[in-house]
Amino acid sequence: EPEVTQTPSHQVTQMGQEVILRCVPISNHLYFYWYRQILGQKVEFLVSFYNNEISEKSEIFDDQFSVERPDGSNFTLKIRSTKLEDSAMYFCASGLLQPQHFGDGTRLSIL
Amino acid sequence: TQLLEQSPQFLSIQEGENLTVYCNSSSVFSSLQWYRQEPGEGPVLLVTVVTGGEVKKLKRLTFQFGDARKDSSLHITAAQPGDTGLYLCAGASGNQFYFGTGTSLTVIP
Repeated sequence: EPEVTQTPSHQVTQMGQEVILRCVPISNHLYFYWYRQILGQKVEFLVSFYNNEISEKSEIFDDQFSVERPDGSNFTLKIRSTKLEDSAMYFCASGLLQPQHFGDGTRLSIL
Repeated sequence: TQLLEQSPQFLSIQEGENLTVYCNSSSVFSSLQWYRQEPGEGPVLLVTVVTGGEVKKLKRLTFQFGDARKDSSLHITAAQPGDTGLYLCAGASGNQFYFGTGTSLTVIP
């Protein structure tokens, strides 16, 4: 069964550094999403992406985040100037309409 | 931000018992999804409900979307240890999907 793959599985970064999280969505899916889940909190929507542009974004997205689909397969999330509170699991998802398949996430630890 | 409250937050039951998890909001959603998430993994989609009043069954799991499309329930019949996990509802509004607070279910053999 096709799956969404995310790399790396764990990223440790110094505060203030930029981080790029990578995702390979399922190939025939049209919508791509990034979510984050801070430990003990609920899954939080960050952005949805369709037809090579952002479809919807959360209130916090523009502060620090950007997304790209640099080629036909990868979908990346860039976090600028990381803060301690950015430590979380970051999930990529893809689907034909709704987020049908999630990756196993990247655990981001900011030191 | 649209809030989806799930109840109960934690549930521990014996194998063979029935249970219901609720997902409530004051907002109307165009569709609602239920996911199950296990530790260290991403959420896995169980079902999508679209129409108010819709009922869907997935083996021992029954999902219902409220008539007003503001709430939903998940009923599990004869729970098994393999049902243990975090159950999440998520409501769609536009192309945003708002996740609920989650229900952590433990089924004791």
